[in-house]
Amino acid sequence: GAVVSQHPSRVICKSGTSVKIECRSLDFQATTMFWYRQFPKKSLMLMATSNEGSKATYEQGVEKDKFLINHASLTLSTLTVTSAHPEDSSFYICSARTSLNIQYFGAGTRLSVL
Amino acid sequence: QKEVEQDPGPLSVPEGAIVSLNCTYSNSAFQYFMWYRQYSRKGPELLMYTYSSGNKEDGRFTAQVDKSSKYISLFIRDSQPSDSATYLCAMSARGGADGLTFGKGTHLIIQP
Repeated sequence: GAVVSQHPSRVICKSGTSVKIECRSLDFQATTMFWYRQFPKKSLMLMATSNEGSKATYEQGVEKDKFLINHASLTLSTLTVTSAHPEDSSFYICSARTSLNIQYFGAGTRLSVL
Repeated sequence: QKEVEQDPGPLSVPEGAIVSLNCTYSNSAFQYFMWYRQYSRKGPELLMYTYSSGNKEDGRFTAQVDKSSKYISLFIRDSQPSDSATYLCAMSARGGADGLTFGKGTHLIIQP
């Protein structure tokens, strides 16, 4: 299967700081990437759809000014959590869509905001 | 009612048993159905990808979709301890072109 790399795998930050998470498709080009969030014992929840060269589409209830998404190339999308607070602590996972419309996932980033 | 219902388990079975995992859903627009396996603190790994109703087999894994009942299943034959993981069902109307709607995941334990 296709390989998606996500970095960092773990980040601990102070409340009020910003954190950037990178998602890369290593062996294919992805015009569309997705960002999900997973709370303990809960489903993965779609946060936003990231399209290369255009603005991201956010799901209802997700603050676009808090979760900034940039998809500047066909292999890289970034999610920046701005002014992070403890309630933003979660497991963030990206996926990239192949030309066959299959989503492959990164390994996830565990964010802890103190 | 949640869009996708999945029993979180844990489901514990002895090695070699046939495992049956399933999900129900409410959105009749879903056409594409996937099963992902997720190990602790890792991203989901795609196991099966099916379109509409029917069966699909891949090695020890069989996926079944019954759209009339809005019910999907994943069967694992000759289960191994390495199959111990959380199994997530996911679905969408347009395959991977859309964000996926996931179940909560079933935690499966295969006892040696």
